[in-house]
Amino acid sequence: DQQVKQNSPSLSVQEGRISILNCDYTNSMFDYFLWYKKYPAEGPTFLISISSIKDKNEDGRFTVFLNKSAKHLSLHIVPSQPGDSAVYFCAASAWSEKLVFGKGTKLTVNP
Amino acid sequence: DAGVIQSPRHEVTEMGQEVTLRCKPISGHNSLFWYRQTMMRGLELLIYFNNNVPIDDSGMPEDRFSAKMPNASFSTLKIQPSEPRDSAVYFCASSLTGSNQPQHFGDGTRLSIL
Repeated sequence: DQQVKQNSPSLSVQEGRISILNCDYTNSMFDYFLWYKKYPAEGPTFLISISSIKDKNEDGRFTVFLNKSAKHLSLHIVPSQPGDSAVYFCAASAWSEKLVFGKGTKLTVNP
Repeated sequence: DAGVIQSPRHEVTEMGQEVTLRCKPISGHNSLFWYRQTMMRGLELLIYFNNNVPIDDSGMPEDRFSAKMPNASFSTLKIQPSEPRDSAVYFCASSLTGSNQPQHFGDGTRLSIL
C-alpha cells in the first residue's frame, strides 16, 4: 500500500516555463513533507520542505504548496532550466524521522 | 564540508557470498538511515539509528540482513548470504536528530548479486 504517490512517471517542459510536479498522500498523520532531486549515479539531494502548519514554502525558483484537505502537494519550478532535468522524489513523515518516499517523477527540461 | 560517504560504489559478487556496505555520516549528525532502491519498490527505509542505537529495523527484509553502528562516524550493512534478489542500489543518509530534519544522502552502492 503506497502512502505517497507520484502518479506521473515523467514530465517534459520547455526551458523558461514552469514545471509542476505533483504528489498525493494517504496518511493524514503526515506532518512534514520534502522534495528531493536525483541525478543518475548520485544520491537524492534535499531541495525543499514544508511543515503541515504551512501551505506554502518558497526558496528561490522552487516553491512547494501543500493542500492538506486534498492530501496533495506540488513543487513548482520557475523558470525551469536544463540543469533541473532529474528525477524528483516526494517524501513525507509522520511525527518521526522515518521518511516514506514516492516513486519519483522524471523531469526533462528541453532547451 | 564532506557529505555522506559510502563505499564501495559498486559491488559485484556471487550468490552466497557475504557483502558489507559501509557508510560515514556527516560529522555532527546523530541519525543514520539505510535505504534500498529498486525499480519495483522504489526507495525503502531498511533501518535507522539514533546516537548509534538502532531505533527501527522493521524494514530489514530478513535475517540475512544486519546493520551496525559501532561509533558516530561509521556504519555497516551486511548481507549474508547474498541472493540475486538483493541486487539494488543501497543508500545511506544522515541527519540531525529529531523529526522535521532533512536527510542527506550518500551516492549509494550499486550491488549486483550474480
